[in-house]
Amino acid sequence: EAQVTQNPRYLITVTGKKLTVTCSQNMNHEYMSWYRQDPGLGLRQIYYSMNVEVTDKGDVPEGYKVSRKEKRNFPLILESPSPNQTSLYFCASSPGSREAFFGQGTRLTVV
Amino acid sequence: SQQGEEDPQALSIQEGENATMNCSYKTSINNLQWYRQNSGRGLVHLILIRSNEREKHSGRLRVTLDTSKKSSSLLITASRAADTASYFCAEGGNDYKLSFGAGTTVTVRA
Repeated sequence: EAQVTQNPRYLITVTGKKLTVTCSQNMNHEYMSWYRQDPGLGLRQIYYSMNVEVTDKGDVPEGYKVSRKEKRNFPLILESPSPNQTSLYFCASSPGSREAFFGQGTRLTVV
Repeated sequence: SQQGEEDPQALSIQEGENATMNCSYKTSINNLQWYRQNSGRGLVHLILIRSNEREKHSGRLRVTLDTSKKSSSLLITASRAADTASYFCAEGGNDYKLSFGAGTTVTVRA
């Protein structure tokens, strides 16, 4: 089954404790991206990757890092999480300028 | 950055009625896409309309695109309770990036 898998689905952490949210897709898509969703703001892009070892900043990259060492994986790293990064996070992949496939989301709370 | 805006923000209709929502965007696009999100879950792609298309249908969905007005509309006909969700338009640029609006929340009353 074609899918984008994020882990964990829910995470509560403390300020400053590094964390990684994993994202994996099994569709051999070149393009992957991370979004955060906050009430009333829709989805805002954090980082994206056009292919292996090619990543770039989206609209709200501050406080986040990504890597793309393999085509299928695109982890999101928060080196020092802060409460303003409490949000619902989505990973997505697409085969270019076409429909995007989304993961089920990771609800992150930073206290 | 480009970001669409949906109108209305919220919509409540009776089962069986049609639901129409609009999306405006700011810059030129490669395509315009619509997604559905059930409460707190991942977005699901509904339909994509390319910049050289004016209308597209998929089941009970009808999407129009007016590039001169930089706007698109999504019509859901004969709505069902299962259509209760948030609907987002997303501008597809030539760089593969999708820019989402804030969404329209649709509630279908039984």
